[in-house]
Amino acid sequence: DVKVTQSSRYLVKRTGEKVFLECVQDMDHENMFWYRQDPGLGLRLIYFSYDVKMKEKGDIPEGYSVSREKKERFSLILESASTNQTSMYLCASTPSGGSGYTFGSGTRLTVV
Amino acid sequence: AQSVAQPEDQVNVAEGNPLTVKCTYSVSGNPYLFWYVQYPNRGLQFLLKYITGDNLVKGSYGFEAEFNKSQTSFHLKKPSALVSDSALYFCAVSPTSGTYKYIFGTGTRLKVLA
Repeated sequence: DVKVTQSSRYLVKRTGEKVFLECVQDMDHENMFWYRQDPGLGLRLIYFSYDVKMKEKGDIPEGYSVSREKKERFSLILESASTNQTSMYLCASTPSGGSGYTFGSGTRLTVV
Repeated sequence: AQSVAQPEDQVNVAEGNPLTVKCTYSVSGNPYLFWYVQYPNRGLQFLLKYITGDNLVKGSYGFEAEFNKSQTSFHLKKPSALVSDSALYFCAVSPTSGTYKYIFGTGTRLKVLA
């Protein structure tokens, strides 16, 4: 069964900390995405990547960065966590073509 | 601007009755269309997709969706709702411009009442 694995289901961090959210897929997909999900706002794209070492900003990149050193791994970095970054973070991947995203289970991050 | 609209925040339906969750889109060209379902504290799961062909698409768990090009709609349907169908449903559109960056609706919470 194909999988997208997010390293943590729940995370609590302090304001100002540097936070790493990890996402690994085992499907050899070229494209990977990071979204945040907030009630009433749906899914908002933070960053995405079409290839190794390649990244592009989504709709809300401020306060975030990403890293894709290997094809299977796409990391989201909160440079200095703030309380307004408390959210559900979802990673997804898709091959080139129209087959649809596969999502991870999500990481619920709370910044205190 | 390209967009996807799910006009209902919540849909309530009695168990055994048919259900419809609405989705309309504003995207140029011939986009790919998707429905996803999310159960509490989980990621999104793929339900079905429309790329081309028959306007009625069948998917997982007995769901189907009807594509209407003239109305730019892609409504999700099920003939007989189950309590276990209660979840958050997202419509998504992929513009066919070579990008795989989907546009998601804001979600519709489906509540099936026993």
